[in-house]
Amino acid sequence: NAGVTQTPKFRVLKTGQSMTLLCAQDMNHEYMYWYRQDPGMGLRLIHYSVGEGTTAKGEVPDGYNVSRLKKQNFLLGLESAAPSQTSVYFCASKSVGVTQYFGPGTRLTVL
Amino acid sequence: AQKVTQAQTEISVVEKEDVTLDCVYETRDTTYYLFWYKQPPSGELVFLIRRNSFDEQNEISGRYSWNFQKSTSSFNFTITASQVVDSAVYFCALSGEETSGSRLTFGEGTQLTVNP
Repeated sequence: NAGVTQTPKFRVLKTGQSMTLLCAQDMNHEYMYWYRQDPGMGLRLIHYSVGEGTTAKGEVPDGYNVSRLKKQNFLLGLESAAPSQTSVYFCASKSVGVTQYFGPGTRLTVL
Repeated sequence: AQKVTQAQTEISVVEKEDVTLDCVYETRDTTYYLFWYKQPPSGELVFLIRRNSFDEQNEISGRYSWNFQKSTSSFNFTITASQVVDSAVYFCALSGEETSGSRLTFGEGTQLTVNP
């Protein structure tokens, strides 16, 4: 099992550009999450999904959209990137039972 | 609303010292779960332990031990005989039940540096 994987690992964008981060899990997990990590602020939840075809807002959803068309994939989109979205993005997944397992992270810089 | 506070931003110890990382939480949920994650310099998040609100038994795993006290809303983490490889950022986190999505609320993290 690869566990939770994230693509890409690094990305640099210019303000106003768009991009999609892909999270994939091969553990047949129902729940998937996107967090962002900023210095001194821990991780904050952006959006999450409790099953295929469902999404819900987390703590800091503004400026992001998500889709869960397939159970194994959870996509995070930035339609018009801003410097405030410079961060490390982590995806996580879990099955029934509440331990979330995290991907390796994507480091995004918006210039 | 849930909240996790890790008052210690940075801790520096010398190898073989014992060190305790503090975590205080706030929640209105009757059932909740507490976690510790480790983030080494490589950046990944490593799950260490999960505790549910009904289980106040302390746990020991090798050099690691956890003290959960509902009366003080604390879930502290102790490393005995610290080693350089323990250097990392440690996060305490809290979640409610799956009916609320099991969303994690993280503390701000404690940077632990173990010096040789």
